[in-house]
Amino acid sequence: GENVEQHPSTLSVQEGDSAVIKCTYSDSASNYFPWYKQELGKGPQLIIDIRSNVGEKKDQRIAVTLNKTAKHFSLHITETQPEDSAVYFCAANDFGNEKLTFGTGTRLTIIP
Amino acid sequence: GAVVSQHPSWVICKSGTSVKIECRSLDFQATTMFWYRQFPKQSLMLMATSNEGSKATYEQGVEKDKFLINHASLTLSTLTVTSAHPEDSSFYICSARRTGGLPGANVLTFGAGSRLTVL
Repeated sequence: GENVEQHPSTLSVQEGDSAVIKCTYSDSASNYFPWYKQELGKGPQLIIDIRSNVGEKKDQRIAVTLNKTAKHFSLHITETQPEDSAVYFCAANDFGNEKLTFGTGTRLTIIP
Repeated sequence: GAVVSQHPSWVICKSGTSVKIECRSLDFQATTMFWYRQFPKQSLMLMATSNEGSKATYEQGVEKDKFLINHASLTLSTLTVTSAHPEDSSFYICSARRTGGLPGANVLTFGAGSRLTVL
C-alpha cells in the first residue's frame, strides 16, 4: 500500500517568514495530494490540494508543488501569521481505491 | 460548503460499556464515509471504510466485532466501540466523500472528531 513520509516533524518560523513542509509518497499510481491543517482538539481541515496533472497550485499565501517523477510534494506558506500555528498533514490518495494515507504531521509554530 | 457533523465531541465512559459515535453529512449525500483513529501527537490511522447499504471494509488489524460500523443512510454513519477498555481511549474522526461529477468531487470533508476516554 501507499506510504507517505513527511518532514520536518516540527518547524518554528518567525512571523512573516515562509514555511515549507515536504512529503514523499511511494505509490506511483497516487494522483491526488491534499494538505490538511489540524488545530488542537479539532478535525483536519483541507487547506489546499493538487492533482497529478498539475505541477503547482496556489491559493493566496499557500502553495503546493508536485514532482511526480521524484514522487514528492511540498506545502509552502508565505508571510506566515500566528494563526498559521497548527499541525499540518499531507496525504496521498489513489482514486482507484479511495483511501487516504496520511503523513506523520508537522507541528508548525509561528513565533510573533 | 460541505459540512460533516460528529457527535458527541467528547465522551467519558466506564470500562465494559459501549459507546456510539455519529457522523453526519449535513448538506450533501455521502455513499462512502471513513473512520480514523488518532492517538496524541500522532497521525490519522484509517480504521474502516463505511459504505451505505453494505458492510464496512476494515483495515488490517482492526477488530470488526470491537468497532461496529453502520451506514444506514446516505447522510449517517455510526461507529460503536463495544465493551470499551482504557486502551480504546483515543480521538476518533470521520470523513465523508461527496459524490458527483462536479469539480471538487471526491474531496474528503472531516468531522471535528470525538474524544473517547474510557475509565
